[in-house]
Order: sequence, then structure tokens, then C-alpha cells
Amino acid sequence: EAGVTQFPSHSVIEKGQTVTLRCDPISGHDNLYWYRRVMGKEIKFLLHFVKESKQDESGMPNNRFLAERTGGTYSTLKVQPAELEDSGVYFCASSQVGAGVRGEQFFGPGTRLTVL
Amino acid sequence: AQSVTQLDSQVPVFEEAPVELRCNYSSSVSVYLFWYVQYPNQGLQLLLKYLSGSTLVESINGFEAEFNKSQTSFHLRKPSVHISDTAEYFCAVSDKAQKLVFGQGTRLTINP
Repeated sequence: EAGVTQFPSHSVIEKGQTVTLRCDPISGHDNLYWYRRVMGKEIKFLLHFVKESKQDESGMPNNRFLAERTGGTYSTLKVQPAELEDSGVYFCASSQVGAGVRGEQFFGPGTRLTVL
Repeated sequence: AQSVTQLDSQVPVFEEAPVELRCNYSSSVSVYLFWYVQYPNQGLQLLLKYLSGSTLVESINGFEAEFNKSQTSFHLRKPSVHISDTAEYFCAVSDKAQKLVFGQGTRLTINP
């Protein structure tokens, strides 16, 4: 069974441009999470979907970030316009219903975003 | 609010030596505790977790961690490390809100 996949693995963009990150969770996992690690800092929660609904978006840094999960399958995270401080590694994770609270989140390899 | 502190950003050890990676947390409610590991060029993997019951939990590759409520700690230990244990290790907590709160990570390097 395929794990959580993320695309692209790396993205280098200019400040002010738009970037869209994609996450495909494990099939059947209703919970989908986005996290971010800025260089040298801890991994921080961004938001949590249950199917297509946003359960918790308390970690989204500002309105330049837009996450969607249409149809409750894959998710996208758009940054528009990108700023230098958005650089970092963006992780996606998924879990089955009820498993998230027990920490059984499965992580993807991450997308490394560099904003120049 | 919860927070996690990993006191050591880097830990170098020799192969077959014991290691301890320290983790302390702060929370006003009961939490679940986890250790994740990220091997080079891979995603995060769950190494072990404490939910309830026995305070000593073990992983399949020889790591163990002990939940100490009075000291609010969840240190990770292994009696004898191998080159393949080279990775970055993350301590994390969560409550019923499901989101994970991570520490800063500890990079474990094994020298032959």
C-alpha cells in the first residue's frame, strides 16, 4: 500500500510568486494534516482536515496560505504571494478516523520550499 | 498550551555506545507522548508512543522511552546504537485535539 505522497519534493520560487503543494494521503484516511518546519525551528502544525472539512486551522500563519481538500481525497496548500519567511519543509500527514488522537499519523517525505 | 523541549540539538556517540535523547514537555492537561524519527531523505516515522498504562514503552528496533509524570519527561534511550540509527529524532505531544506539538529535534550521529 502506498504511503503519503507529496509533490513536488522541492520548489524554488521568487518572492511574490505563487506555489501550490499537493498531498495525497493514504487511501481511506479521513484525517489529513499539514505541518511546516522552518529551518532551525521545530515542526509546527498548520491545519487539520477531516474529509473535506477543516477541523482546525489554528496554525495557519496568515491569509496568504490557502488549504483545500475537495472531495476529501488529496489536499493542496497554496501560498500566494510567497514571502521569504515561507521557506521551509512542508509535511503532510494522514490518519484513520479516531487514530489521530493516538498519534498514529503517517507522514509524507515533505516538500522543501525555497523562496528567493 | 503545550510545549516540548528537546535539550540537545545534536548528540554524537560511538557505535555500540548507549544513548539518551532528552525530552521535557509542558501541558496543563493529560497528553499523549511520541517519538518520531526521520532518516536521511525520508519522511517522519512513528518510533514509539505512550498513551496510557505502563510508563515504559519500547520500539521494535531497541529504543525505549519512559514517561515520568512528576518530571514531565519522556526521554528516549537505547543501550547500544548502530550506524543505522543515524537520524533526527523528534519528541511530540498531543491532546485530544489531535494536532502534534513537536520539539526542536535532536540529530543523532553515530561514529564508527
